[in-house]
Amino acid sequence: EDQVTQSPEALRLQEGESSSLNCSYTVSGLRGLFWYRQDPGKGPEFLFTLYSAGEEKEKERLKATLTKKESFLHITAPKPEDSATYLCAVQPYLYSSASKIIFGSGTRLSIRP
Amino acid sequence: GAVVSQHPSWVICKSGTSVKIECRSLDFQATTMFWYRQFPKQSLMLMATSNEGSKATYEQGVEKDKFLINHASLTLSTLTVTSAHPEDSSFYICSASDPGRSPGTQYFGPGTRLLVL
Repeated sequence: EDQVTQSPEALRLQEGESSSLNCSYTVSGLRGLFWYRQDPGKGPEFLFTLYSAGEEKEKERLKATLTKKESFLHITAPKPEDSATYLCAVQPYLYSSASKIIFGSGTRLSIRP
Repeated sequence: GAVVSQHPSWVICKSGTSVKIECRSLDFQATTMFWYRQFPKQSLMLMATSNEGSKATYEQGVEKDKFLINHASLTLSTLTVTSAHPEDSSFYICSASDPGRSPGTQYFGPGTRLLVL
């Protein structure tokens, strides 16, 4: 069964304290892995798409990496405005690219000033 | 780029009435759109996949007669909650995919909060 597991469920950091969020997945072949940021009461905001193991993408203080079993979202020197829930999702290879994606339960990140 | 809008952003209605939510892709054509429901502190739950010009595909457990989906053009999909009841109160979010930009990636709207009294 295709599955996505995110850890930790919640993470509290001090401003400037770097850390990583984990997304482990079990799928019958990976077509794509996606990271989103969601603020309370809003729709998810797209961050990254990764397609193959070894791929990395960066945006400001965020960097996403991908292996054959998991993805990491590294956050460097976070600021309070980085506080949000970060969602990971995967699309199995057997799905077409226009098909649904499978979400993890998310990591709630809180950055203290 | 890849902007998706939803209207209305929030709606309050009486039990038994129907509510229509619109989802638009503003700067790209979306052959496929998705409708999600989200309960507080939970992840997104896919309700249905909507393809332009054809019937929507509903996830198991979602009543298609209650949640009517129409995808009449490449930029507009609508979700109608028929005969709404308090248990239908939730946060509804749509998304759209743009195969020409980033295959598989879904771009989400801001969401619509529905409260049924």
